[in-house]
Amino acid sequence: QIQLVQSGPELKKPGESVKISCKASGYTFTDYAMHWVKQAPGKGLKWMGWINTYTGKPTYADDFKGRFVFSLEASASTANLQISNLKNEDTATYFCARLMGDYWGQGVMVTVSS
Amino acid sequence: DIQMTQSPSLLSASVGDRVTLNCKASQNINKNLNWYQQKLGEAPKLLIYYTNNLQTGIPSRFSGSGSGTDYTLTISSLQPEDVATYFCFQYNSGHTFGAGTKLELK
Repeated sequence: QIQLVQSGPELKKPGESVKISCKASGYTFTDYAMHWVKQAPGKGLKWMGWINTYTGKPTYADDFKGRFVFSLEASASTANLQISNLKNEDTATYFCARLMGDYWGQGVMVTVSS
Repeated sequence: DIQMTQSPSLLSASVGDRVTLNCKASQNINKNLNWYQQKLGEAPKLLIYYTNNLQTGIPSRFSGSGSGTDYTLTISSLQPEDVATYFCFQYNSGHTFGAGTKLELK
C-alpha cells in the first residue's frame, strides 16, 4: 500500500538547521509531485511548495523562499525539507503530501527554542 | 497571490443538522478547489476534489458546490465523527489553503 513515512520530531535552537525526510513506498516515486505543508501549533495549513520528483525542480511559495530547500534522494524514494537559520516561528508540524490521490506523511514536529 | 477566505471560522451545530461551510477566493479559481477535513492530531484528509467530486470512501452526506470565486461544502446530516476543522484549498494559480472552519457539536 502507498505510504509516506516521515522522520522523527526535532528540537533545535534558533540559528540551527534541520533536515526532515519523507520516504515514499508503494508507488513509482518519480511519477508524482511531492508537496510540503506547514502547520504551526493551533493554526491552519500553509502550503510551502512542491518538488517535481522527476526533474528535481522545486517551487516555493513566497513565504518560503530563502531558508527552505526541497531536495530528493530519488534512488531512495525520499523527499527532504531542509530549513536553515531556524527561527522561533518555524516551530510547527511539517507534512509531506502526495496530493494526487491524497497521501500524507504523519507529520514532523519541529520545535525551535533556546 | 490568490487569497482564500473561509466562513465562519467557528461553527456549532447539532447532530442531524444540515451544515454549510463557505470559501471565497480573491479571484476566479475555475472550480479548482478541494476540501480537506483535519481531526486533532491527524493529517488532513481529502473530502471533495474539483469543487464537487466526492473522494473515494467519503460518506455521501458530504457534498461540494460552487463556481467562480464562491464555494460551499455541505454536510447534509451532521454526525459526531464530523467534528473537525475543514480547509478549502485552491490550485488554480499557485496553491493556497483557507484559514479553516472549526466545526463543533452544540
